[in-house]
Amino acid sequence: EAGVTQFPSHSVIEKGQTVTLRCDPISGHDNLYWYRRVMGKEIKFLLHFVKESKQDESGMPNNRFLAERTGGTYSTLKVQPAELEDSGVYFCASSQNPWSQYFGPGTRLTVL
Amino acid sequence: RKEVEQDPGPFNVPEGATVAFNCTYSNSASQSFFWYRQDCRKEPKLLMSVYSSGNEDGRFTAQLNRASQYISLLIRDSKLSDSATYLCVVNGQGGKLIFGQGTELSVKP
Repeated sequence: EAGVTQFPSHSVIEKGQTVTLRCDPISGHDNLYWYRRVMGKEIKFLLHFVKESKQDESGMPNNRFLAERTGGTYSTLKVQPAELEDSGVYFCASSQNPWSQYFGPGTRLTVL
Repeated sequence: RKEVEQDPGPFNVPEGATVAFNCTYSNSASQSFFWYRQDCRKEPKLLMSVYSSGNEDGRFTAQLNRASQYISLLIRDSKLSDSATYLCVVNGQGGKLIFGQGTELSVKP
């Protein structure tokens, strides 16, 4: 069974540019979560989809971040415009229940 | 105060040693607890869930004390392959995971 996949694995962009991260969850998993780890800090929750609906977006830092999950399959997380403090590793996780979240390999974002 | 706090690392131990990690959480309403393992530049992977009665998986034993809001992980007979960062994780509302900062373990020959 394929795991959670994320694309790209790395992205280096300049401040002010736009970046779109993609997550493909495990097939059949209704729950999709985005998390982020910035340098020196713990992994923090960004938002949670159940199918195509945003269940909880309380962790989104500001309105420069936009997440979508059209059709309830893959999800995208767009950062526009990117700022230096957005650098970090963005993880996606999927689950069919809250007790077993499977993480993707992450996208390492560097904003210069 | 952080929602989940862990022992500061790193822990450097010889092979075969027993090592214990501790963690406290602030929300007394938390219901589910986990230890995740994260290798360098990799994603977190579930090591084990933690139950009130305590649970064991081979060389790993996890304990939960709800009254003290305290979680522990004990690794016996540590192996070189146990070197990683161990993350204490608590389930928040809606299933989101709340992570501690992690404790780095380095097992030396």
